[in-house]
Amino acid sequence: ETGVTQTPRHLVMGMTNKKSLKCEQHLGHNAMYWYKQSAKKPLELMFVYNFKEQTENNSVPSRFSPECPNSSHLFLHLHTLQPEDSALYLCASSQGTDPYNEQFFGPGTRLTVL
Amino acid sequence: GNSVTQMEGPVTLSEEAFLTINCTYTATGYPSLFWYVQYPGEGLQLLLKATKADDKGSNKGFEATYRKETTSFHLEKGSVQVSDSAVYFCALSDNAGNMLTFGGGTRLMVKP
Repeated sequence: ETGVTQTPRHLVMGMTNKKSLKCEQHLGHNAMYWYKQSAKKPLELMFVYNFKEQTENNSVPSRFSPECPNSSHLFLHLHTLQPEDSALYLCASSQGTDPYNEQFFGPGTRLTVL
Repeated sequence: GNSVTQMEGPVTLSEEAFLTINCTYTATGYPSLFWYVQYPGEGLQLLLKATKADDKGSNKGFEATYRKETTSFHLEKGSVQVSDSAVYFCALSDNAGNMLTFGGGTRLMVKP
């Protein structure tokens, strides 16, 4: 595997379900990000981790819970979501959180909440 | 706060046509500017960037010039191909260490 991988690629869940999204980067980076991409809205940064420490939480509801066990893996735990949470969730990584450093994105998980 | 405004799509062109996708921004100080591209079913990829006024970023035949006086970073390509069909995102990062701010994206469709 190379680059940034995300699983699953597609997920359908009910509002009472609990699920997790997984991201793995094979680039040796130390910063990882979760973004939300909704139709007709700008890409929204959700969380940033640098060396496994959360450095940014962009006012995300608590029904989204990130976890970063090491610099290569990032999870997004989901529970009691709402239909408006349906979106493409993108993971990215970079070498440090300097904004000038290129972020490498995974293909995303397409989430549908029923 | 920072913001990025892009022209709404979709933009539909015939192959070999000239492309312009407009991007303007609002930011404190002197931001760095980026264009990212998202091909169908894939994540975003950095296409080009410029870090100071009058810089020109270029890659794969695409160009964009950092215009501080008009706060713009328009993307251009002289002759588009069907393979350029994708969604293009303009983004900025300011010099206060803040994360990337993205525009809403512009879908480009190139017909043979």
